[in-house]
Amino acid sequence: RKEVEQDPGPFNVPEGATVAFNCTYSNSASQSFFWYRQDCRKEPKLLMSVYSSGNEDGRFTAQLNRASQYISLLIRDSKLSDSATYLCVVIRWAAGNKLTFGGGTRVLVKP
Amino acid sequence: GAGVSQSPRYKVAKRGQDVALRCDPISGHVSLFWYQQALGQGPEFLTYFQNEAQLDKSGLPSDRFFAERPEGSVSTLKIQRTQQEDSAVYLCASSLQSRERAFFGQGTRLTVV
Repeated sequence: RKEVEQDPGPFNVPEGATVAFNCTYSNSASQSFFWYRQDCRKEPKLLMSVYSSGNEDGRFTAQLNRASQYISLLIRDSKLSDSATYLCVVIRWAAGNKLTFGGGTRVLVKP
Repeated sequence: GAGVSQSPRYKVAKRGQDVALRCDPISGHVSLFWYQQALGQGPEFLTYFQNEAQLDKSGLPSDRFFAERPEGSVSTLKIQRTQQEDSAVYLCASSLQSRERAFFGQGTRLTVV
């Protein structure tokens, strides 16, 4: 079993709709969490950090559930430009601070 | 520099050839990571440096892979005797300190023919 797992999708989303997806992590000692966005043939770019209390950045909301070992990302009022692959990233400080990526969730927003 | 810079952007190598991929991290960034990304997959960890010290090389797939960062800035990932399965995008990332957000370069797309 991979340390970080995501539903690969694709999630086909009508423009203006809300979409949400999760990422599960297997190691309870994981301590830092991020969502990165990756466009086709581009490098990953940080979308947002995920804090214990949950956090929001505009149309994006990230939540962390330590008990069930997952993080989530919700996108409201989806735009065509939100079409991308969303990568979940986990850091275990005891594992040398390397970023461990999930396989990514592909989101396609359609008119 | 303004961002993480990687060169070359594209590399075609004949099977058995040695290649060297370069990463220029953001100036002052202590941590540097190398990742390998196959098509349709998430990036897979290869190795991690803190300054010039290679603290973790557990992700290097074989002894044909070697990375260095001799002066704690520029890093080179070397692949000897390339094989077809080495074809992937190699991503470099740097961060100011460990555990902080990491910035990625545009990657080097390696194709072994």
